[in-house]
Amino acid sequence: EAGVTQSPTHLIKTRGQQATLRCSPISGHTSVYWYQQALGLGLQFLLWYDEGEERNRGNFPPRFSGRQFPNYSSELNVNALELEDSALYLCASSLVGGQVNQPQHFGDGTRLSIL
Amino acid sequence: AQSVAQPEDQVNVAEGNPLTVKCTYSVSGNPYLFWYVQYPNRGLQFLLKYITGDNLVKGSYGFEAEFNKSQTSFHLKKPSALVSDSALYFCAVRGGGYQKVTFGIGTKLQVIP
Repeated sequence: EAGVTQSPTHLIKTRGQQATLRCSPISGHTSVYWYQQALGLGLQFLLWYDEGEERNRGNFPPRFSGRQFPNYSSELNVNALELEDSALYLCASSLVGGQVNQPQHFGDGTRLSIL
Repeated sequence: AQSVAQPEDQVNVAEGNPLTVKCTYSVSGNPYLFWYVQYPNRGLQFLLKYITGDNLVKGSYGFEAEFNKSQTSFHLKKPSALVSDSALYFCAVRGGGYQKVTFGIGTKLQVIP
């Protein structure tokens, strides 16, 4: 079974640019989650999509947005990039998101560096 | 609001000795608790979960965790540490429905040969 895949592995941008990160969940998983892992700050929850709908959103500005496609893959878009956006962005997927006993399965992340 | 505390930034243990990584939580309603491990330059891997039932939960790679409702704790344990267990460990909690999962800041485990 293929795991969660994220692309690209690394992304280098400059301040003010826009970044698009992509995630393909495990086959059969309908929920996709996005997290930001900045050095020393642990995992910060960004967004949760389930069945194409946004189910929950973390405390991030509106320039962080995303969507989930009919095949359950997802995109995270970050506009007007700032230096502090430099981080590892992790995507996770799970079976039906509303079921509390479902663990999340993580991809290896996209390392976003802002110059 | 729900929260997770991992009070130790780093835990050092000698190979072969038992290890404990501490976690306390706060959540409204029933807690649903998870432990994950992260190796360098990788995503998180699921280790074990507590949903309901027995307070001692067994998971992957010989790890187990003890749920203590009165102390609101969910400590991760292993009877005999391996050098290959050295990694970053995250405790997580969620409530019911579409409440998000909240992760702790992580504890670095260093197993010394």
